[in-house]
Amino acid sequence: SQQGEEDPQALSIQEGENATMNCSYKTSINNLQWYRQNSGRGLVHLILIRSNEREKHSGRLRVTLDTSKKSSSLLITASRAADTASYFCATAHNTDKLIFGTGTRLQVFP
Amino acid sequence: DTAVSQTPKYLVTQMGNDKSIKCEQNLGHDTMYWYKQDSKKFLKIMFSYNNKELIINETVPNRFSPKSPDKAHLNLHINSLELGDSAVYFCASSQTLAGVGEQYFGPGTRLTVT
Repeated sequence: SQQGEEDPQALSIQEGENATMNCSYKTSINNLQWYRQNSGRGLVHLILIRSNEREKHSGRLRVTLDTSKKSSSLLITASRAADTASYFCATAHNTDKLIFGTGTRLQVFP
Repeated sequence: DTAVSQTPKYLVTQMGNDKSIKCEQNLGHDTMYWYKQDSKKFLKIMFSYNNKELIINETVPNRFSPKSPDKAHLNLHINSLELGDSAVYFCASSQTLAGVGEQYFGPGTRLTVT
């Protein structure tokens, strides 16, 4: 299966701490995207990183991509209770579709 | 102002029934999708349409039939519902083809088959 694996499956931290989640995939990609899903809601796009990029920032989010290791990480700095959600990576291997990872459930305690 | 909307939000029905879920996007996007998210939160593509043309059909049983009357709408009809069809179904859209840019998701339709 091409499905990405995310690690950890679940993560609990205190407000103000940083949260790091990782995504690994199996075949070469065009780009990798991160999405957030709040409980009972649809997914929201956070950031897209192309295969020729190594790092990207958006506000408190930092994404890295290592194509040699076929892995990416999402860092959320200075987390807030409102960051509590599931986070999914999605890989684009061609122009047809995105393959979503298994997700990381993040719980941020106030 | 909802970008991608779906109706209904909840659908409870019995095995063997036929049901439809509707999706509309007001973003002017060319491509629309249906995804299925199971109880373990795995999200899997079912169908995608680009300018009303079917692009992807991911080995979904033919009880599932998508219909795109125009670029802004992609409906999903399900015949002879089975227990295993219980899941959350998400509609999504993107400006161009899936692998190029970001996708915008609807709020989901939680389907429960009893």
